[in-house]
Amino acid sequence: DGGITQSPKYLFRKEGQNVTLSCEQNLNHDAMYWYRQDPGQGLRLIYYSQIVNDFQKGDIAEGYSVSREKKESFPLTVTSAQKNPTAFYLCASSIPTGRDTEAFFGQGTRLTVV
Amino acid sequence: AQSVSQHNHHVILSEAASLELGCNYSYGGTVNLFWYVQYPGQHLQLLLKYFSGDPLVKGIKGFEAEFIKSKFSFNLRKPSVQWSDTAEYFCAASFWGYSTLTFGKGTMLLVSP
Repeated sequence: DGGITQSPKYLFRKEGQNVTLSCEQNLNHDAMYWYRQDPGQGLRLIYYSQIVNDFQKGDIAEGYSVSREKKESFPLTVTSAQKNPTAFYLCASSIPTGRDTEAFFGQGTRLTVV
Repeated sequence: AQSVSQHNHHVILSEAASLELGCNYSYGGTVNLFWYVQYPGQHLQLLLKYFSGDPLVKGIKGFEAEFIKSKFSFNLRKPSVQWSDTAEYFCAASFWGYSTLTFGKGTMLLVSP
């Protein structure tokens, strides 16, 4: 089945450690996105990538980093510089927006930093 | 800057009541509009979408939304809600010329049996 796989579903880390969240898609989509979801805040864009080896900062990129070495994969690293990393993280993909298209979402990773 | 706003953060209804959730966007150009739903403990699901054509869009589970260009609105409606509609609802837009999907802050709907 085509879709987006995020792993792990739950992740616990100690404060000060970097952690990498995985996102893989087999939809052959060029564009991939990372969102952060907090109660009452909706979904806020962290980073996005329209094509392999290229990515752009979203609205809340500070303390995060990404790579896009393969079309299928868009891992997100939450660094120790992120002041409030505990959140629900959602990955999405689409053919690039600007055409009639929709984004497809993974099931999310809930990160808890203690 | 482009944005999406949802009117209510929390809505409480009794079963069989009618539902209307407000969504407005700010952008002067062409937009694609979406409503997503997130049931408790589940992932984000697409309810319905508007790209072009008939401004009244029908989605899954009896939901519909109407695009009113003059009001920059895309309100979600359902004539009779059920307890199982308890969820968080997100309005989203993609603005032509920009590469990303912008979300509203969400509306938490609680339907009491």
